[in-house]
Formats: sequence, C-alpha cells, structure tokens
Amino acid sequence: AQSVAQPEDQVNVAEGNPLTVKCTYSVSGNPYLFWYVQYPNRGLQFLLKYITGDNLVKGSYGFEAEFNKSQTSFHLKKPSALVSDSALYFCAVRPYSSASKIIFGSGTRLSIRP
Amino acid sequence: ETGVTQTPRHLVMGMTNKKSLKCEQHLGHNAMYWYKQSAKKPLELMFVYSLEERVENNSVPSRFSPECPNSSHLFLHLHTLQPEDSALYLCASSLSGQGGSYEQYFGPGTRLTVT
Repeated sequence: AQSVAQPEDQVNVAEGNPLTVKCTYSVSGNPYLFWYVQYPNRGLQFLLKYITGDNLVKGSYGFEAEFNKSQTSFHLKKPSALVSDSALYFCAVRPYSSASKIIFGSGTRLSIRP
Repeated sequence: ETGVTQTPRHLVMGMTNKKSLKCEQHLGHNAMYWYKQSAKKPLELMFVYSLEERVENNSVPSRFSPECPNSSHLFLHLHTLQPEDSALYLCASSLSGQGGSYEQYFGPGTRLTVT
C-alpha cells in the first residue's frame, strides 16, 4: 500500500535551535515529495518539493528537506527555529502512477518555545 | 494569498438545510480537489477533478455532491448533513499531467458546523 508516515505527533524545540520534522514514505517508483505548513484557521501552504536532482531541497521561510532514497525519508529541517514557525506540518507524496492525487501524512505539530 | 479562494469562510447549517461551498482558482490549474479536515484526524481526500472530469470519489456519502463547471470553479453541494460532518473543508488546485508541477495550492477553507 502506498503511504506516508509522520512518526511524531508533536515536536518541541527552543527558539534558535535546529529543528527536524520526520517523514517516511512507501510508494512504488520514483516519488514526488512535498512539505506543507498549516497555521491556525488557514489552509495548507506549500513549502517545498523534491522531484529529482539534488537531494537537499530548499524552500520557503528558511526550511529545507533532505531526500534519502535508501531510507525512504524526506525530513524537514531548519537550522535555527523561530517562534513564528509554530504550526502544523504535513508531508505528502505523489505516487509515480498517479496523475493528480497526492497522499498526505497525519501531520506533526511543531511548537517553538521562546 | 495562494490564488485559491473559498466562500463562505464560515457556515452554520441545520441538518435539513441545503447549502453550497464555492471554490475558485486563479492559477491556470487543471485539477481541483475537495478535502475534509476534522480535529484529530488525517486530511481526507473527498473528490478530485482533472480537466473538469471527476477522477476520484473516495466513498463519500451522497449527501455531498461536487460540481466542476469549468477548470476555475469547484462547488460542493451539501444536503441533509449530520453533526459528524462538521469540519474544515479545504479546496485545492494543481497543474497536473505532462509538464505539471503537481504541488497543490489550498484555499483558506470553509469552517462548517452542522447543528
């Protein structure tokens, strides 16, 4: 079955420290991978994507993600967290066979303390 | 501002009412989606339209009826809903197919409360 997993419901980090939000996937073929962020009472905002090429992808708001094919992971990272980064983060994958559908993870709530 | 608008932003309706949610995208995309987001539950894909044709219907009850009159507009018609249908309904669009970028752009959502 094709799926994406975010093993942590909540991640707590002190402001200024590096952060990592984990994501693993299980799809056949070469996946397209995405990260989204959701602030309270808002829709999801696209952060970054990996399709091919360099395994380290840079996105909005200073976030980056590393594609690791052998570990089937696509962890989201930021070198120095801000309180304003506190939000709900979703990892998503588009199976190669899908024309338009993408599969979302269950979300990880990131909390940055001052 | 993502280029996807949804109206209304908030809706309270009784179980016997009929209402419609509207979504409009200004991005030139060719695929549109309806999602349901409930507290403590994963994002649920409800319907997918590609080139105005419904390509996916994830076992959604018939009290939800989608309509896609053109590639820029998507509606979700609601009738005789249940309290458990209360949720945030999100619309999204993407550019799919050959040469597409595939990432989805979301509207702000409609917060629906069924009383």
